[in-house]
Amino acid sequence: DSGVTQTPKHLITATGQRVTLRCSPRSGDLSVYWYQQSLDQGLQFLIQYYNGEERAKGNILERFSAQQFPDLHSELNLSSLELGDSALYFCASSPRGELLNYGYTFGSGTRLTVV
Amino acid sequence: QQQVKQSPQSLIVQKGGISIINCAYENTAFDYFPWYQQFPGKGPALLIAIRPDVSEKKEGRFTISFNKSAKQFSLHIMDSQPGDSATYFCAASRSQGGATNKLIFGTGTLLAVQP
Repeated sequence: DSGVTQTPKHLITATGQRVTLRCSPRSGDLSVYWYQQSLDQGLQFLIQYYNGEERAKGNILERFSAQQFPDLHSELNLSSLELGDSALYFCASSPRGELLNYGYTFGSGTRLTVV
Repeated sequence: QQQVKQSPQSLIVQKGGISIINCAYENTAFDYFPWYQQFPGKGPALLIAIRPDVSEKKEGRFTISFNKSAKQFSLHIMDSQPGDSATYFCAASRSQGGATNKLIFGTGTLLAVQP
């Protein structure tokens, strides 16, 4: 157990639908990152939140949005789903300060299948 | 400038051999270089990391070699074992003050260690 909890583990939904992925960061970590992993694209950075505020955006589609709540958990909302959105979605968290010993801790991911 | 290039895409090594994976980066502002190991169905897990003020870091059978002038770093796995068979990702990040920045990942190397 990495300490980063992602739910659900698997999600199957139809095109056009909307889903919410949830992430609880490791205790004490203020930063949450969302990554998309597909076979042909590798690990792509989507968005980062730090202590409730958006810190950085990557190649996140307009149909996707995220937020980080006061208790530091985060949700990634994916809407108007397309077949191409099928992928593994990972959440990672990191502490403020020294990276070298702790780094970014990843959750076990949510496998999204759009049919 | 944000890219991290990783090679080879796949690697087959005999048990007991040395596995070598290489990465190159462009952004000289990067100051944190981790390697992640990912098994099928799992999230990436931090293996070892280095900062640019040292040229080598060793942890057990895993060694990072870092060449700042060439903007390259590599992972060496000594005495490779079948249990090391996984996908390995290099990554780079730029820390800003007390908060950490997003990780930019290489495209991954699928390592197979044959018994």
